[in-house]
Amino acid sequence: EPEVTQTPSHQVTQMGQEVILRCVPISNHLYFYWYRQILGQKVEFLVSFYNNEISEKSEIFDDQFSVERPDGSNFTLKIRSTKLEDSAMYFCASSEQGAYGYTFGSGTRLTVV
Amino acid sequence: TQLLEQSPQFLSIQEGENLTVYCNSSSVFSSLQWYRQEPGEGPVLLVTVVTGGEVKKLKRLTFQFGDARKDSSLHITAAQPGDTGLYLCAGNGDSNYQLIWGAGTKLIIKP
Repeated sequence: EPEVTQTPSHQVTQMGQEVILRCVPISNHLYFYWYRQILGQKVEFLVSFYNNEISEKSEIFDDQFSVERPDGSNFTLKIRSTKLEDSAMYFCASSEQGAYGYTFGSGTRLTVV
Repeated sequence: TQLLEQSPQFLSIQEGENLTVYCNSSSVFSSLQWYRQEPGEGPVLLVTVVTGGEVKKLKRLTFQFGDARKDSSLHITAAQPGDTGLYLCAGNGDSNYQLIWGAGTKLIIKP
């Protein structure tokens, strides 16, 4: 069964450092997403990406965040200068038809210390 | 702001019992999806419902979308310990891209 792959599974970083979270979406999917889930809280939308550009982003996705699809397979989320409150599980997802059913990766647990 | 409220937040029952969890909103959604999430893992899509009044079955799980497309329910018949997990509903309303998420129902099925 096709799956979305995320690396690393766990990342610990110092406050103020840059991190890049990596994702390989399902190959024939056209829509890509990043969500995050702070421990014990709801899943929160960060950004969607379609046709090589951001299609929608939330208020959380400020200037510290950026996304890129550097080649035909990878989809990355960069946080430029991490804050303690960025600690969360970050999930990448992809879909064939917009927001009608996603396949999620297993997530990257980001811990900012 | 579109919100999805799930109830109950937590449910612990014996194996073999039936249960229903609910996902409600005052807003209309063009689709609602149900996911199951295990600790430390990403949500796994169970079903998408699109049409008001739609009923979908997945083995012992029955999903229904309300006629007005503002609510949904998940019914599990003869629950088994393997059904234990966090059940999340999510919907797309005004957006074609992002999903609005409920807080989840944590379900424990005791053997």
